[in-house]
Amino acid sequence: AQTVTQSQPEMSVQEAETVTLSCTYDTSESDYYLFWYKQPPSRQMILVIRQEAYKQQNATENRFSVNFQKAAKSFSLKISDSQLGDAAMYFCASAGLSGGGADGLTFGKGTHLIIQP
Amino acid sequence: DSGVTQTPKHLITATGQRVTLRCSPRSGDLSVYWYQQSLDQGLQFLIQYYNGEERAKGNILERFSAQQFPDLHSELNLSSLELGDSALYFCASSPGQTMGNTEAFFGQGTRLTVV
Repeated sequence: AQTVTQSQPEMSVQEAETVTLSCTYDTSESDYYLFWYKQPPSRQMILVIRQEAYKQQNATENRFSVNFQKAAKSFSLKISDSQLGDAAMYFCASAGLSGGGADGLTFGKGTHLIIQP
Repeated sequence: DSGVTQTPKHLITATGQRVTLRCSPRSGDLSVYWYQQSLDQGLQFLIQYYNGEERAKGNILERFSAQQFPDLHSELNLSSLELGDSALYFCASSPGQTMGNTEAFFGQGTRLTVV
């Protein structure tokens, strides 16, 4: 079983500043993936970044990077140079692979990110 | 555009009724996943089909069922609808059997309102 916890229901950041969204997880899986998804007002779920748990190097996608602390079961998302288009709900999620990845994604409750112009 | 198509976009129906939600995966994707997003439960995995066969079940109610057809499109059937079934229902697809090692793409969802 897996659980994902996002402790920040809402975050606000000034445009061009950096913000970090927190996520902790718990899993009994030996092999798993972690994700951050973005859901703008259009409702579309968009993959922001993906981390393979067996890789120690933190994933990076342009202005988005993660801080993956496996022992602490922490997976935070850093957004640099925040832009107005980054305003959205952000969901942290996990997927186990020991069962063949057949459990789908387990999502946190989400963090609403507000970008102040 | 993710390439995953869900119809209808909106659906309003009465309690006790039955509805069918449809999902066409991206070209070449063999897996289809269904998720429910509601205010109280958040995002929950319901069920996965891979190449026509059920592969995994999540928190899917017995009143709900799904299937994947030979052309790989999938349908989610919701019956004996209750007010609490009002939610956004997402479909996602991926090439392989998992959402982990390949990127999965989500459709825009079907907003179901039960009145």
